[in-house]
Amino acid sequence: QKEVEQDPGPLSVPEGAIVSLNCTYSNSAFQYFMWYRQYSRKGPELLMYTYSSGNKEDGRFTAQVDKSSKYISLFIRDSQPSDSATYLCAFMIYNQGGKLIFGQGTELSVKP
Amino acid sequence: DGGITQSPKYLFRKEGQNVTLSCEQNLNHDAMYWYRQDPGQGLRLIYYSQIVNDFQKGDIAEGYSVSREKKESFPLTVTSAQKNPTAFYLCASSIRGENTEAFFGQGTRLTVV
Repeated sequence: QKEVEQDPGPLSVPEGAIVSLNCTYSNSAFQYFMWYRQYSRKGPELLMYTYSSGNKEDGRFTAQVDKSSKYISLFIRDSQPSDSATYLCAFMIYNQGGKLIFGQGTELSVKP
Repeated sequence: DGGITQSPKYLFRKEGQNVTLSCEQNLNHDAMYWYRQDPGQGLRLIYYSQIVNDFQKGDIAEGYSVSREKKESFPLTVTSAQKNPTAFYLCASSIRGENTEAFFGQGTRLTVV
């Protein structure tokens, strides 16, 4: 079983749609939960991070963590063409040097 | 402007050659990382360093080497022992190893010809 599973997509939605991106994980030691956005041929940039179960909101983005089910989600409201990118979930274990464990990434395309 | 600079952006290597990828940061970050990205596989950790003159292997270190002689610099050498080196290589840094925000460079795309 892979440590992190993420649907690679591609996912195509119309502008204004609500997007749901998901990752499941198997390692109970994961303590930090992150979402990165990566535009084509660029480095990833951090969108959101959290360390507790529940929801965290930042503008049009909401990160959700369910530690009991080992499941995290990223919701994008009112999606825009500029949101078209690959979204990577990432996980970290405390006291292991800041190493990140990434999902495979989901490619999202928002059509005008 | 503060940030992480990777060079070159594109690199071509002949089989059997060693090549070195550059990573420089002016963010005064202690920790630096090298990841490899292949299509459909996300990012995988090659090496990381939390302080100068010290570094640790990541999950896929075989065929790679690094050095950390200066805080600002963390070059990665892809040796001829790496059997499948064609990939997108990303360097990252963070203030301390446990800081959750890692800043990434723009990557180097290495192709074996």
